[in-house]
Amino acid sequence: NAGVMQNPRHLVRRRGQEARLRCSPMKGHSHVYWYRQLPEEGLKFMVYLQKENIIDESGMPKERFSAEFPKEGPSILRIQQVVRGDSAAYFCASSPDRVGFGEAFFGQGTRLTVV
Amino acid sequence: AQSVTQLGSHVSVSEGALVLLRCNYSSSVPPYLFWYVQYPNQGLQLLLKYTTGATLVKGINGFEAEFKKSETSFHLTKPSAHMSDAAEYFCAVSEGQAGTALIFGKGTTLSVSS
Repeated sequence: NAGVMQNPRHLVRRRGQEARLRCSPMKGHSHVYWYRQLPEEGLKFMVYLQKENIIDESGMPKERFSAEFPKEGPSILRIQQVVRGDSAAYFCASSPDRVGFGEAFFGQGTRLTVV
Repeated sequence: AQSVTQLGSHVSVSEGALVLLRCNYSSSVPPYLFWYVQYPNQGLQLLLKYTTGATLVKGINGFEAEFKKSETSFHLTKPSAHMSDAAEYFCAVSEGQAGTALIFGKGTTLSVSS
């Protein structure tokens, strides 16, 4: 059973470009979470999605950031018009149910560098 | 709102010594508590978790943690450190079964010297 797969592992974008980060959850998992990790900081919750639905996006910046988890295919975190402050590691996690019921399995992350 | 405070951003121990990583939480409802470990350029791996029941929780790699409601703490311990334990450790809390997210502390980097 493959783990949570994130791609790309490393992504370099120029200021103003778009970044698309992909996350394929573990088989059988329908709950996906996105987190951002800045240097010297812990992981900050961004958004929680179930298939085709955004359940909690309280951690998402109001502008330029969006997330989706379609019926088919991976979850996508999209950052439009990237700025240097978007440089961070972005982690995806998946679970078979709400995080409180069990373990959330994390991917290895996508490290975004904005130049 | 929930929050997690990890005391000490860096902890250094000698191989074979006791490891103690501190975590205090704030939650308005009975919390679920977690410890994760992160190795360089890797994702997070669950060490252990507390949901309900026994307050002393044993995890992988010889780690354990004790939930102390009166102290709002969930400190992580290991009797004897190994070089391979060097990593970053994160404490996290969720709002029990109703929680929709894990709230993480800022992490503690553990260094182990020979």
